[in-house]
Amino acid sequence: GENVEQHPSTLSVQEGDSAVIKCTYSDSASNYFPWYKQELGKRPQLIIDIRSNVGEKKDQRIAVTLNKTAKHFSLHITETQPEDSAVYFCASTDSWGKLQFGAGTQVVVTP
Amino acid sequence: NAGVTQTPKFQVLKTGQSMTLQCAQDMNHEYMSWYRQDPGMGLRLIHYSVGAGITDQGEVPNGYNVSRSTTEDFPLRLLSAAPSQTSVYFCASYPAGASDTQYFGPGTRLTVL
Repeated sequence: GENVEQHPSTLSVQEGDSAVIKCTYSDSASNYFPWYKQELGKRPQLIIDIRSNVGEKKDQRIAVTLNKTAKHFSLHITETQPEDSAVYFCASTDSWGKLQFGAGTQVVVTP
Repeated sequence: NAGVTQTPKFQVLKTGQSMTLQCAQDMNHEYMSWYRQDPGMGLRLIHYSVGAGITDQGEVPNGYNVSRSTTEDFPLRLLSAAPSQTSVYFCASYPAGASDTQYFGPGTRLTVL
């Protein structure tokens, strides 16, 4: 089955700096790669996603890149703000739409 | 639309007790899933359903049963609760077809003593 590895497990950045989280996956048939943000005690919320026919996608301060050959994808957050502090999860889906999650990255943005 | 709803929000059980976690969605999504979230381990798929009457196992199905008698509801049953089942449980739904956005419910925090 699919295996998703996520790094780093914790990331501390100064406000205004960029944050990068990287994930690798094992199933070459995976074709959808969402990123979720989870604040303490809340449900995961989709923040951006990318499909296998696209190499990069941006939405304001966040962007995701996908390298299908190398089977890795990354989340980039620019100009980080304190409200970006949360746990971020990458995921990939198989052909049934089953999501396999990474273990998560705790991002702390310090003023 | 209420989206995906889950009840209860919190539950404490004793070892060996059984209970049902409820999940409902009003978006007419065909696909529904149950995940558990443990510290440092992300979310793991317990069971999923691709339509009424159809269910299948995920990554960690042992100790849990599901059924899908209607499109709207997807209850998760703990047959005989164990401390290892202490976790936060999330239900999710999404439209038919792979590669679609999953919508998560607010979660149920379960403690088994």
